[in-house]
Amino acid sequence: DAGITQSPRHKVTETGTPVTLRCHQTENHRYMYWYRQDPGHGLRLIHYSYGVKDTDKGEVSDGYSVSRSKTEDFLLTLESATSSQTSVYFCAISEFDYEQYFGPGTRLTVT
Amino acid sequence: QKEVEQNSGPLSVPEGAIASLNCTYSDRVSQSFFWYRQYSGKSPELIMSIYSNGDKEDGRFTAQLNKASQYVSLLIRDSQPSDSATYLCAVKRGGGSNYKLTFGKGTLLTVNP
Repeated sequence: DAGITQSPRHKVTETGTPVTLRCHQTENHRYMYWYRQDPGHGLRLIHYSYGVKDTDKGEVSDGYSVSRSKTEDFLLTLESATSSQTSVYFCAISEFDYEQYFGPGTRLTVT
Repeated sequence: QKEVEQNSGPLSVPEGAIASLNCTYSDRVSQSFFWYRQYSGKSPELIMSIYSNGDKEDGRFTAQLNKASQYVSLLIRDSQPSDSATYLCAVKRGGGSNYKLTFGKGTLLTVNP
């Protein structure tokens, strides 16, 4: 998986609780991305980063925030989880703004 | 109009046949095109990228791009049961500060022994 790890791999949480997902890379790639994948919707970009402390919104960013304090880590936070945020979350990296490589994913269930 | 469209399938082919997967896109300024393979319960895996019109071959895989028709395809020759997966088409707009990929919803391919 191109030196990408995600943690946790599975999580069950209750509505209203905060949740943080972590993406860690060992490739020293500049660009990092968070996607969610849902049946019927495919992969949708939540947020992305083009450098340390440089982030921007994707197409489904409401209810999510991100932080990147060092090259290797990109955090996705759900401030107050809702059932609509039950999904599989993938992190991806790219060296330039071309080919993206995905991590193993985190399956999040909000009850 | 959806930005990236793929037939959802399932596309079923016999072992040894050629599987043909198609993708159309709506943004004429798109410049980079990618095919990912995703096994059930796994993450997407990049298998092909193509940036200019024509064919690009890599082993049993051939990607074809026609920018005038806004069409990109993936051919899998000598299909194997291990090729059974969902294939995702992804499109990137022009260069500069737009780093984002737009994905189709994927085509499920089943290769029957």
